[in-house]
Amino acid sequence: DAKTTQPPSMDCAEGRAANLPCNHSTISGNEYVYWYRQIHSQGPQYIIHGLKNNETNEMASLIITEDRKSSTLILPHATLRDTAVYYCIVRPDSGSARQLTFGSGTQLTVLP
Amino acid sequence: GAVVSQHPSWVICKSGTSVKIECRSLDFQATTMFWYRQFPKQSLMLMATSNEGSKATYEQGVEKDKFLINHASLTLSTLTVTSAHPEDSSFYICSAPRRSYNEQFFGPGTRLTVL
Repeated sequence: DAKTTQPPSMDCAEGRAANLPCNHSTISGNEYVYWYRQIHSQGPQYIIHGLKNNETNEMASLIITEDRKSSTLILPHATLRDTAVYYCIVRPDSGSARQLTFGSGTQLTVLP
Repeated sequence: GAVVSQHPSWVICKSGTSVKIECRSLDFQATTMFWYRQFPKQSLMLMATSNEGSKATYEQGVEKDKFLINHASLTLSTLTVTSAHPEDSSFYICSAPRRSYNEQFFGPGTRLTVL
């Protein structure tokens, strides 16, 4: 799986958009970008994934650059409950039964 | 609601005892489940892949005789930490991919503390 690089920590004011960057410069053409988050002492939670088009769901938006070497996860209106470690993961297949390889992630702290 | 459960959510045991952790897929069948371990302030590390009806596959450095995995049904995988020692104290998390979904579902985790 391609390696990802994320900032170790970020702060965001409650109610503002949180923009979490991820670099994946060695991504291959068939690799998807996945985002998961882990709230303290809980199991990870899926957020969103994409291949090359921007994606949006009820939780977040995913913006992938045209060259696919980086992406940004956007939480449009961050709340205190969004405080968590956010993991950007690159993997070959969508929907395959393959394990996830977690990096160190970004600790997002939403401030009141 | 939760689609993967773990039991127990936490356990404290004495050194030398064995501890069994269960991982269940609640409303779907999972021929494969993954077991991860997470030490404080670290990321999740894959320990092993549990395969229904066959032997588990272990990551390099994980002792298969110490961490026994059984995947006897399509909805249940168990991880038994045998002869636990304080260095086995960790947060153990399982996950299961769900057919036709593009995500893996994680259990809530089990906090193991070995005294």
